[in-house]
Amino acid sequence: QVQLRESGPGLVEPPQTLSLTCTVSGDSINSGSYYWGWIRQPAGKGLEWIGRIYTSGTTNYNPSLKSRVTMSVDTSKNQYSLRLSSVTASDTAVYYCAKGSGFPKLFFDNWGQGALVTVSS
Amino acid sequence: DIQMTQSPSSLSASVGDRVTITCRASQSISDYLSWYQQKPGKAPKVLIYSASSLQSGVPSKFSGSGSGAEFTLTINSLQPEDSAIYYCQQSYSSPLTFGGGTKVEIK
Repeated sequence: QVQLRESGPGLVEPPQTLSLTCTVSGDSINSGSYYWGWIRQPAGKGLEWIGRIYTSGTTNYNPSLKSRVTMSVDTSKNQYSLRLSSVTASDTAVYYCAKGSGFPKLFFDNWGQGALVTVSS
Repeated sequence: DIQMTQSPSSLSASVGDRVTITCRASQSISDYLSWYQQKPGKAPKVLIYSASSLQSGVPSKFSGSGSGAEFTLTINSLQPEDSAIYYCQQSYSSPLTFGGGTKVEIK
């Protein structure tokens, strides 16, 4: 069973860059036709897809965040990462990493526990 | 972007009831739809993918139907542990988008 775990600072000052890493365990990040995504959820609100990355390095970002988002993957460490620049208070949320399956009818079948990131000075 | 609209936004039902949640897409998405259950403080969990396929390990009391632009999630024999927020998600086109959620409470 694949497990995912987010890590990174819980507090980020505006307008700095939010950086999170997702560590995948239980299987190689390279195995299977999967993609690796990030989703966020402000407190008491719904889910927002941030983007996804394949182990080839191909990325696909939400246009609403595209100018500020960078994702990368490190297959040697079985990790992938999210960077969100120029953060504001509206970026405060729980950030989830999740494994995507079922191409092309993509769904997220494994999720991390979530990492609360607060943007505040 | 494809907008996903869920109804109702919340409901209250009794133990043993059958509950139906609707998700409407702003355009046809074929069967590129998934359903998730989220309990407080936890990550979402996928219940249904491809509109009607039950994810491995999910009880058969959960079922999904629909295609095109209208979909339903049905929960049979509602139990206290089914109290949660349920989300639909489309993967027909990028960006992937989620519905606003339906909160299911037990009377």
